[in-house]
Amino acid sequence: KAGVTQTPRYLIKTRGQQVTLSCSPISGHRSVSWYQQTPGQGLQFLFEYFSETQRNKGNFPGRFSGRQFSNSRSEMNVSTLELGDSALYLCASSIRQETQYFGPGTRLLVL
Amino acid sequence: SQQGEEDPQALSIQEGENATMNCSYKTSINNLQWYRQNSGRGLVHLILIRSNEREKHSGRLRVTLDTSKKSSSLLITASRAADTASYFCATDGSNYQLIWGAGTKLIIKP
Repeated sequence: KAGVTQTPRYLIKTRGQQVTLSCSPISGHRSVSWYQQTPGQGLQFLFEYFSETQRNKGNFPGRFSGRQFSNSRSEMNVSTLELGDSALYLCASSIRQETQYFGPGTRLLVL
Repeated sequence: SQQGEEDPQALSIQEGENATMNCSYKTSINNLQWYRQNSGRGLVHLILIRSNEREKHSGRLRVTLDTSKKSSSLLITASRAADTASYFCATDGSNYQLIWGAGTKLIIKP
């Protein structure tokens, strides 16, 4: 099976812009989770989707949003970008709340 | 929020030596997992241990779990340069969310 794919891999934006990141899970995986990773902060949970429904959300401002489509592909959007949003954004898919399979991540740089 | 805490934060050893890292957590769990992350890349699942298991092996990896102390350890035997990475533990939290530790950065010196 193909692994989790994320696009784009790298992105440079300026403050105030918005960005949309995409994640395609492993075929058959209906759960998709998003994480933000910054140096020294570990993985910060953003949200988790299952069958197009957001089941859980982390402690992030409303500028961070996401959605999941009927084919389980997921997108996350960050509006009004701030310098502090520069990070590696990771997507992971899973069948149950156990092993998560991660994509390579999207590295976002906000200038 | 980060429930797990890995210890040490960083570890540097010679190739061929064993590496041990620890993870502590706060609430009761059903399972605990360990993941590896090579520099700036996605995480790779290493091993999952359930709450009714005390020890589990996978190749050069040995994981132990002590639910009474709410702690786990990951032992990598006969380390190799390719083991240089950050290692994270994750426990199953509520609401379909894994709770992650801050990670241990392991450096294997040739």
